[in-house]
Amino acid sequence: QVQLQESGPGLVKPSQTLSLTCTVSGGSISSDGYFWSWIRQLPGKGLEWIGNIYYTGYNYYPNPSLKSRVTISLDTSKNQLSLKLSSVTAADTAVYYCSRAPLAYCGGDCLPGAFGFWGQGTLVTVSS
Amino acid sequence: DIQLTQSPSFLSTSVGDRVTITCRASQGISSYLAWYQQKPGKAPKLLIYTTSTLQSGVPSRFSGSGSGTEFTLTISSLQPEDFATYYCQQFNSYPLTFGGGTKVEIK
Repeated sequence: QVQLQESGPGLVKPSQTLSLTCTVSGGSISSDGYFWSWIRQLPGKGLEWIGNIYYTGYNYYPNPSLKSRVTISLDTSKNQLSLKLSSVTAADTAVYYCSRAPLAYCGGDCLPGAFGFWGQGTLVTVSS
Repeated sequence: DIQLTQSPSFLSTSVGDRVTITCRASQGISSYLAWYQQKPGKAPKLLIYTTSTLQSGVPSRFSGSGSGTEFTLTISSLQPEDFATYYCQQFNSYPLTFGGGTKVEIK
């Protein structure tokens, strides 16, 4: 059974870069046909997709609302997924989840299907 | 971006009741819709994908239907462990989006 575990600082100062890691166990991050994603949930609010990357590391899709600030990457040697979000403000305070989804289909873009595996989430607070 | 509107946003109901939650998309998404259940302090749990396929291990009292722009999640007989918040999510096109959620509470 695949398990995902987020880790990183729980407190980040405004204007700095939020950096999180998701460690995958029970399966390889290079497993054929899977997307790895970051999703966040603002306090008391709904879910926001941040972006995803295909297992090859080549098909990378960030949310346009965050595009200029987001970097998602894979480290196959450590079986980890990472998230970097630059120039953070208090509006980026949220619980951050990593997740896995199978490839759904490819048209002009390739898209993941539903998110079947999730980490437990990690709360990141942006405050000075 | 495709907007997903869930209704109702809040539901007060009783054990044994039949519950229906609707998710409307701002444009057609074929059958590329999933439903999740989230309990306080926990990650969302996948219930249904591609509109109507039950995720392994999910009780058969949960079902999904719809196509195009209107979708429903039905719980045939609500159990105590079903009190939670439910979200729909589309994977028809980028950016992936979620509905605003439906909180199901005990009457």
